[in-house]
Amino acid sequence: AQTVTQSQPEMSVQEAETVTLSCTYDTSESDYYLFWYKQPPSRQMILVIRQEAYKQQNATENRFSVNFQKAAKSFSLKISDSQLGDAAMYFCARYNNNDMRFGAGTRLTVKP
Amino acid sequence: DTGVSQDPRHKITKRGQNVTFRCDPISEHNRLYWYRQTLGQGPEFLTYFQNEAQLEKSRLLSDRFSAERPKGSFSTLEIQRTEQGDSAMYLCASSYNSGGREGYTFGSGTRLTVV
Repeated sequence: AQTVTQSQPEMSVQEAETVTLSCTYDTSESDYYLFWYKQPPSRQMILVIRQEAYKQQNATENRFSVNFQKAAKSFSLKISDSQLGDAAMYFCARYNNNDMRFGAGTRLTVKP
Repeated sequence: DTGVSQDPRHKITKRGQNVTFRCDPISEHNRLYWYRQTLGQGPEFLTYFQNEAQLEKSRLLSDRFSAERPKGSFSTLEIQRTEQGDSAMYLCASSYNSGGREGYTFGSGTRLTVV
């Protein structure tokens, strides 16, 4: 099975500090896309950042950036200058061939 | 357009009853997806539509589950003879015809509790 693994069920970070969430995935395809989604409590899941596998350059969206290691099939999310509003479940996802597959998620707590 | 809408937000039903959920996708999106999310897990794929055609169904979608998208706009997901194991959040998402390359837009979900 082509899976997505998030090895950290829970993480916490101090406000204004930096935190990195880990994700590894499995795929036999060369063309695929990777995503991080954020799901705040009782709210809808929203797209945080997207990476195309054929691009070597790591994606960046304001305080959010990724470390994409294609050979290692690793796709970690770095949140800089963490804010209280960053507290949520974060899901890593891999998309290819009409199949979006999610990891089990990491619950991020931000301490004031 | 206010995004992907799902109705109801919460549903409590007795075991054995039938329930139906509705999803209204973003109007420009051709593709519509249903996922199920249980506590502490990521969303699991159930089925997806391109316009009105149901193109794929997961093995998770037992015979008690049926989904429709009659006019290629809104979709319904029906669960017949509900069981306690059906308790979950049911998420709907939509995307452009390019599939998921740009990511999906999710609704807020319908939380089903079977008692």
